[in-house]
This record gives sequence, structure tokens and C-alpha cells, in this order.
Amino acid sequence: GAVVSQHPSWVICKSGTSVKIECRSLDFQATTMFWYRQFPKQSLMLMATSNEGSKATYEQGVEKDKFLINHASLTLSTLTVTSAHPEDSSFYICSASGTSGDWNEQFFGPGTRLTVL
Amino acid sequence: GQNIDQPTEMTATEGAIVQINCTYQTSGFNGLFWYQQHAGEAPTFLSYNVLDGLEEKGRFSSFLSRSKGYSYLLLKELQMKDSASYLCAVMDSNYQLIWGAGTKLIIKP
Repeated sequence: GAVVSQHPSWVICKSGTSVKIECRSLDFQATTMFWYRQFPKQSLMLMATSNEGSKATYEQGVEKDKFLINHASLTLSTLTVTSAHPEDSSFYICSASGTSGDWNEQFFGPGTRLTVL
Repeated sequence: GQNIDQPTEMTATEGAIVQINCTYQTSGFNGLFWYQQHAGEAPTFLSYNVLDGLEEKGRFSSFLSRSKGYSYLLLKELQMKDSASYLCAVMDSNYQLIWGAGTKLIIKP
């Protein structure tokens, strides 16, 4: 099956620093990658959608200058949390979709747990 | 607006059957997904329905009625490892997934 990896799996950083999270589709070419944030006991919240080679589309309320997304290839997307603050502490999950038959399915990475001190 | 509703929490007994319902109102419809998510982990795909009816996959089955905006996930022969959150998500006309808040399923011995 399709495999999506994320790195790092967890990170602890000081307030004000920037953190980069990588999302890779290992055995398929992802036409679209999605970045989600999930706070404890809540559902997934879509942050942005990115297509390879074009600018990401951010959801309402998500600061594009704070959460920088780069989708440089069909197998790699990165999310950079700039000047992180404690309220940015969350579980960040990426997913990738290619096309399979008549429908798109999102394959999820294992997630990155970010803790900002 | 777009809305996905599912119960917040359900409890069932090991070996029993449980049905988790999901109702939706979305801008267009390109299929409904069920995902399982264990605490601290990313969601894993369970099922996909785009046509009305029942899709069976082992102990898990998923049903869809597009006219009613309704789906359910049926879990049979419950095992302790089935304790998890179950997320219902609908793909809208823009091929974007709209997520429900998830149903936390607690399995008791």
C-alpha cells in the first residue's frame, strides 16, 4: 500500500524558534499533499492544501506567513512553523493523495508532535 | 455551511457489535470515508463509499445512503484493540475532505 513518512516524529523547541516538518510519499507520486493540525481530543483541522510546484492554499484563519509550506516535488512537502509559540504545540499530520481508479484517497503520515516551551 | 455529525463517544462490550452513525451536509459529494485513529497516532483508512449500499470488509462494514446524507460503520466481534476514535469524512465537490469530530469507542471486557 501507499506509504507516507513524516520527519521528525516529535520535536521540542524553545519559543521563537522555527521548526521544519517533512512529509514524503515513499512509493507513489502525490499530486496533492495536505497538512492538518490536531489538538488533544479534537478532530483533524485542515491547515492547507498544496499541489506540487504551486503555492499552497490555506484554510481560513491559518497564517500563511507563520506556517510556510513548500511542495517542491511530487514526493516531498515541508511545513515550517516560524517563530513558534506554546500555542502552536500540537500534533501535525500530513497526508498525500495520488489517483487510484476513480477516486482519490488520502494516505496519512504518522504525525509529528510539536511541543513549544 | 458544511457539517458532519457523529456521536462523541460510545461504549460496547468485547465480542459484541457496534454501529457508529454519521450524518453529513456538504457542498457536493465525492465519497465518504471512515478512518480509525488510535490515541497519539495518525488516522488509518478503513473504508470508502461513493454509491448507496453496504461495503463489507472483514469485521468492518460501512453503509451509505446519499439521499439521506447518512452513513454508518458497523464493527462486529469487537476486540479490545478496536478501542479508538472513528472519524467520518466526506469528500466535497472540490475533492476536499470535510472531517467529523470523531467518535471515541470504548470497548469493555
